[in-house]
Amino acid sequence: DAKTTQPNSMESNEEEPVHLPCNHSTISGTDYIHWYRQLPSQGPEYVIHGLTSNVNNRMASLAIAEDRKSSTLILHRATLRDAAVYYCILRVGFSGNTPLVFGKGTRLSVIA
Amino acid sequence: DTAVSQTPKYLVTQMGNDKSIKCEQNLGHDTMYWYKQDSKKFLKIMFSYNNKELIINETVPNRFSPKSPDKAHLNLHINSLELGDSAVYFCASSQRYFRTGADNYGYTFGSGTRLTVV
Repeated sequence: DAKTTQPNSMESNEEEPVHLPCNHSTISGTDYIHWYRQLPSQGPEYVIHGLTSNVNNRMASLAIAEDRKSSTLILHRATLRDAAVYYCILRVGFSGNTPLVFGKGTRLSVIA
Repeated sequence: DTAVSQTPKYLVTQMGNDKSIKCEQNLGHDTMYWYKQDSKKFLKIMFSYNNKELIINETVPNRFSPKSPDKAHLNLHINSLELGDSAVYFCASSQRYFRTGADNYGYTFGSGTRLTVV
């Protein structure tokens, strides 16, 4: 799977939107962009994924650049419970034997 | 109902002992995984089983032996525990093939087993 680059940490005020960036300049045409997050003392959890178009779900939105070399996870209103490490992961569609490979992620702090 | 459950949640043991961690998933997934998260918080894949068949075996010491009695269970047995084995071990499950448009495209992780070797 191609590599992603994320800031080590970010900070946000509660109830404000948060934009978490991810660069993936070597993304291939078959790579899907996945986001997972890991809350303190818990296992990672799936957040959202996309290929080319922007995606929305109940947890977040995913904005994908037109050239697909970067993407942004958007939390519309950060809450204290959103404080976690957020991982941006590229995964080949129909990847079969290829597991999720986690990088360092971005540690998001939310300030009350 | 917990989707992926691991037992025990905490495990403290002495060097040289043998211990097992159990994992069960009730999601109907066909693939299960073990990940290790060390003190620096890096998550690394260790093993993957699909329908009881080992499909991924990363560079892990032979002291670690996974066992999958059926596709809903994946256990991890560790022999001759060492201080460096101290970590949090996560079990996860998914469908083997990531299918676009399907509901079942993500990994579901357990809450982890914190292993401390003293």
